[in-house]
Amino acid sequence: AAGVIQSPRHLIKEKRETATLKCYPIPRHDTVYWYQQGPGQDPQFLISFYEKMQSDKGSIPDRFSAQQFSDYHSELNMSSLELGDSALYFCASSHGGGMNTEAFFGQGTRLTVV
Amino acid sequence: AQSVAQPEDQVNVAEGNPLTVKCTYSVSGNPYLFWYVQYPNRGLQFLLKYITGDNLVKGSYGFEAEFNKSQTSFHLKKPSALVSDSALYFCAVRDTVSFMNRDDKIIFGKGTRLHILP
Repeated sequence: AAGVIQSPRHLIKEKRETATLKCYPIPRHDTVYWYQQGPGQDPQFLISFYEKMQSDKGSIPDRFSAQQFSDYHSELNMSSLELGDSALYFCASSHGGGMNTEAFFGQGTRLTVV
Repeated sequence: AQSVAQPEDQVNVAEGNPLTVKCTYSVSGNPYLFWYVQYPNRGLQFLLKYITGDNLVKGSYGFEAEFNKSQTSFHLKKPSALVSDSALYFCAVRDTVSFMNRDDKIIFGKGTRLHILP
């Protein structure tokens, strides 16, 4: 079965650079979530989209922005990168944005800022 | 605001023994509860969920979880542990009140590392 696809899997950037992370949800899923997981940490919610509109916002820095496109894929744009942004970034998708639907997670993008 | 607590950072169990990973939650409305497992350098894999109905929920890989409303708990269990069960386990919650307010996110606990000893 198709799963959530994230690209790239690994990314190394220097401080103050920009990065773009991509997420392709499971077909027919209309809701996308972005999470940041630091080393040894639990996943922290960043932002979510339902039907191409932002549905919720968490602890996402102002330096980051995201959007969901017409084909439901999503991109997380990160600017002025800092060392503390090094983390595993997960995208998850679900269908319908309903309460009883579980989210399916991608493999994650490991971002290292040097 | 909703929250999830996993009181144990690590749980050690001998192979073949029953295991329990604890989770308690706090929500404004009715909870929708989930368990996810994370293997090293992998994404989160869905194990099971409680929405309504029977308090004992069965999921993947022989895991089950028991919803207890009075104790606001949703402990993960397995009758006989396998070495391959060793991983990081996350309890997560959504609540209906937050959802109606368009707070559409899943909140995770801090995670519990499960070590199954051969």
